[in-house]
Amino acid sequence: KAGVTQTPRYLIKTRGQQVTLSCSPISGHRSVSWYQQTPGQGLQFLFEYFSETQRNKGNFPGRFSGRQFSNSRSEMNVSTLELGDSALYLCASSPGRGNRYEQYFGPGTRLTVT
Amino acid sequence: KNEVEQSPQNLTAQEGEFITINCSYSVGISALHWLQQHPGGGIVSLFMLSSGKKKHGRLIATINIQEKHSSLHITASHPRDSAVYICAVDAGGTSYGKLTFGQGTILTVHP
Repeated sequence: KAGVTQTPRYLIKTRGQQVTLSCSPISGHRSVSWYQQTPGQGLQFLFEYFSETQRNKGNFPGRFSGRQFSNSRSEMNVSTLELGDSALYLCASSPGRGNRYEQYFGPGTRLTVT
Repeated sequence: KNEVEQSPQNLTAQEGEFITINCSYSVGISALHWLQQHPGGGIVSLFMLSSGKKKHGRLIATINIQEKHSSLHITASHPRDSAVYICAVDAGGTSYGKLTFGQGTILTVHP
């Protein structure tokens, strides 16, 4: 089975712009979680989707949003980018049944905001 | 106080040494994850535990649910084990899929 893929892998944006990141989970997985990793704050949970529904959201401003499609692929969007949004954005997929707590991480998208 | 605390924050070892990294958490959990991240790299899931002990090669992970504590052991450490090791918990239930992370332990193994 192919692993979790994320696109793009690297991205440079300017303050005020918006960005959309994509995550394709492992085939058959229905849950996708998104995380932000920064040197100062470490890893923080953004949101989790299951069957196109957002079930959990972390403590991030409304500029951060996401969605999940019927094929379980997920996107996250950050509007009005700030310098502090520079981070590694990771998604992880989970089966949602059986070993439902297993999480498989993608390689991440490194976003730099200038 | 963070919900997930790891110790030590930094660890230096000589090749061949036995290594232990500890993780304590303050909330009820359904699962605990040990993750590995090499410099500039992505995250690899090493173990997912809900009870007892798991072993994979030279790595062993244990969890004590009553004491809210987990340990990751590396036997016969090797320079390629140099990485950041991260403990993360999943509270389950309505928080399923929402991991809370420790601050990570930076491990350096010298040849």
